[in-house]
Amino acid sequence: GAGVSQSPSNKVTEKGKDVELRCDPISGHTALYWYRQSLGQGLEFLIYFQGNSAPDKSGLPSDRFSAERTGGSVSTLTIQRTQQEDSAVYLCASSSKGWEQFFGPGTRLTVL
Amino acid sequence: KQEVTQIPAALSVPEGENLVLNCSFTDSAIYNLQWFRQDPGKGLTSLLLIQSSQREQTSGRLNASLDKSSGRSTLYIAASQPGDSATYLCAVIGASGTYKYIFGTGTRLKVLA
Repeated sequence: GAGVSQSPSNKVTEKGKDVELRCDPISGHTALYWYRQSLGQGLEFLIYFQGNSAPDKSGLPSDRFSAERTGGSVSTLTIQRTQQEDSAVYLCASSSKGWEQFFGPGTRLTVL
Repeated sequence: KQEVTQIPAALSVPEGENLVLNCSFTDSAIYNLQWFRQDPGKGLTSLLLIQSSQREQTSGRLNASLDKSSGRSTLYIAASQPGDSATYLCAVIGASGTYKYIFGTGTRLKVLA
């Protein structure tokens, strides 16, 4: 595709349920990032994948959060046992040489 | 620890005015700096990327400058239009470690017709 795509665009779930968020990066981009934007807050880095290297998970807020990237392309962010404080917009970005990052439209997660 | 600050937090100007948005960062050892705009309920749109070796970048009515030694970048918008209304974010990547962005909290711009 022409840009980074994310699905779903909106997700409403009940507290305690697991959710999966998907990101399709720009074709050929080797780096993929997940960020979180909470209401009234800035963007918070979550996790970064670069090629076949071990991911940088330093931004994940708890062990309920995990992410994988299959085949160096599509990535899935999983949140287990969701809490109300997990409500936010989850943004994915990808980049290639030069490290200019291109963002997807985001997934708005609401935990009731 | 890198911290990025944007001033002002909000700005309202009449159409046609030239304006400057400011971004400052505490650690001058950066790899690059990128300016984005974010429309309400949308993702981020890349505006300009400045590599650490560059002093400025221009795209249309936008000009971004970088002064690494003083930890500052400015985004200049010429002849502002109502369509420029959005939140503007700057972000920096550190020169060492992984290439993750540290974002400022943004400047919310409103251009009045």
